[in-house]
Amino acid sequence: DIVLTQSPDSLAVSLGERATINCKSSPSVLSSSNNKNFLAWYQKKPGQPPKLLINWASTRESGVPDRFSGSGSGTEFTLTISRLQAEDAAVYYCQQYYGNPVTFGQGTKLEI
Amino acid sequence: EVQLVESGGGLVQPGGSLRLSCAASGFTLSRYWMTWVRQAPGKGLEWVANIKQDGSEKGYVESVKGRFTISRDNAQNSLYLQMNSLRAEDTAVYYCARDPGIDFWSGYDYWGQGILVTVSS
Repeated sequence: DIVLTQSPDSLAVSLGERATINCKSSPSVLSSSNNKNFLAWYQKKPGQPPKLLINWASTRESGVPDRFSGSGSGTEFTLTISRLQAEDAAVYYCQQYYGNPVTFGQGTKLEI
Repeated sequence: EVQLVESGGGLVQPGGSLRLSCAASGFTLSRYWMTWVRQAPGKGLEWVANIKQDGSEKGYVESVKGRFTISRDNAQNSLYLQMNSLRAEDTAVYYCARDPGIDFWSGYDYWGQGILVTVSS
């Protein structure tokens, strides 16, 4: 199984500042078939379903503010949230869909 | 508008069974892989199972293999999860989700609101 390890487990960042969440994959989720990274980022708030923010490691979903960006390739990935707003407080998860079983990272709790 | 609505959850005793349903609307179910994901109280997200558009391929997390069965009825626009031999550790909110991938799997773009399954005596 592909293991995703997020860091840190939690972080507190001030309004207007930037938050950086890391996700390390073992093994790689870069596909040689299409040269894409099979990795997504989600935002999860209590009582709500997860919301897909970033697909293919760096493609922002429609309607997601450009304050959210994804980067990385192979085994190292980063979710960056700029100009933090109060509504960004949530738990963030990375997910790999390179193969079954699909797996999620353990989550990173972001406090504002 | 794409909608996914889960039903069938509730309280069940250990060793019991439940069948979850997910009613899909606003899109053609037969075009998409579909998935169940769960979140136990205070825990993270866990992928449970997925199923190909025509039901010919299915995948399960190891902890539910032999106990859970994913299925679909495209004509009825519905996804199902039959859960047998339930254990306390299966207690979770269960979500159905859509995989929009065409040639490859993808991140899940639409999710239901979730349904709570509680396994307890």
